[in-house]
Amino acid sequence: GAGVSQSPSNKVTEKGKDVELRCDPISGHTALYWYRQRLGQGLEFLIYFQGNSAPDKSGLPSDRFSAERTGESVSTLTIQRTQQEDSAVYLCASTAGAREQYFGPGTRLTVT
Amino acid sequence: SQQGEEDPQALSIQEGENATMNCSYKTSINNLQWYRQNSGRGLVHLILIRSNEREKHSGRLRVTLDTSKKSSSLLITASRAADTASYFCATHRMDSSYKLIFGSGTRLLVRP
Repeated sequence: GAGVSQSPSNKVTEKGKDVELRCDPISGHTALYWYRQRLGQGLEFLIYFQGNSAPDKSGLPSDRFSAERTGESVSTLTIQRTQQEDSAVYLCASTAGAREQYFGPGTRLTVT
Repeated sequence: SQQGEEDPQALSIQEGENATMNCSYKTSINNLQWYRQNSGRGLVHLILIRSNEREKHSGRLRVTLDTSKKSSSLLITASRAADTASYFCATHRMDSSYKLIFGSGTRLLVRP
C-alpha cells in the first residue's frame, strides 16, 4: 500500500479488557510514532521507534501501555486493563527523516 | 506540555474569504509544520518551514515564521467549503530532532 494503514478502524471494548492496535508504516520509513488524540484536543506523543534503536517511551501515560516494533515493519500498541479515560483516537505516523510525518487513519477506541 | 498553541481555537468564515491561523511555541526549533485533519482522523501534512526561513508558499497556503517572537501564521486564501477542517502546527525542537510537538489546533469552518 502507498500509505500508513491502521487496524482496526474502530474498537469498542469493555473496561478492564486488553486491546491491541496495529500500524503498518510506509515501506522504507525507518521512524514510527504513536499518538493519542482525545476528542477536540491536540495530539499527545506516546512512543517513537527509529530503526533498531531503543524506543523513546517517554510519552506512554502508564505501565498499562506498551508498544512493539520489529525492525522497520509493523508496530502494535497494547493497552492492558483498559479504562474509560483511554477512549480516544490512536494515530500512527511514519517518516523517513526529521521532516513531514505521514499519518494513518487512526483507530477510534471506545471503552465502555 | 504543548509546545505549540494555536489561535484562534475556532474560526468561521464565508467561502471566498481568507483564513488566518496563528501558532506560538516556547523553545527553539529546527522547523515548524502545519497539518490538516478532517473528521478527527488522520492528519495530512501541508507545509514545512525551516527555522532559517521567514515565508513559504504552497498553492493557496502562505506560512510565515517569526523566530524572534516564536510564532507562525498560516494563511489560506480564497477559502473553499472543502477547507473545513482542523489545522495543527507542530514543531521539531532543537533538542529533539525526531519528536514533533503538536498544538491544540484551530477548527476552521468555511460556510458555502
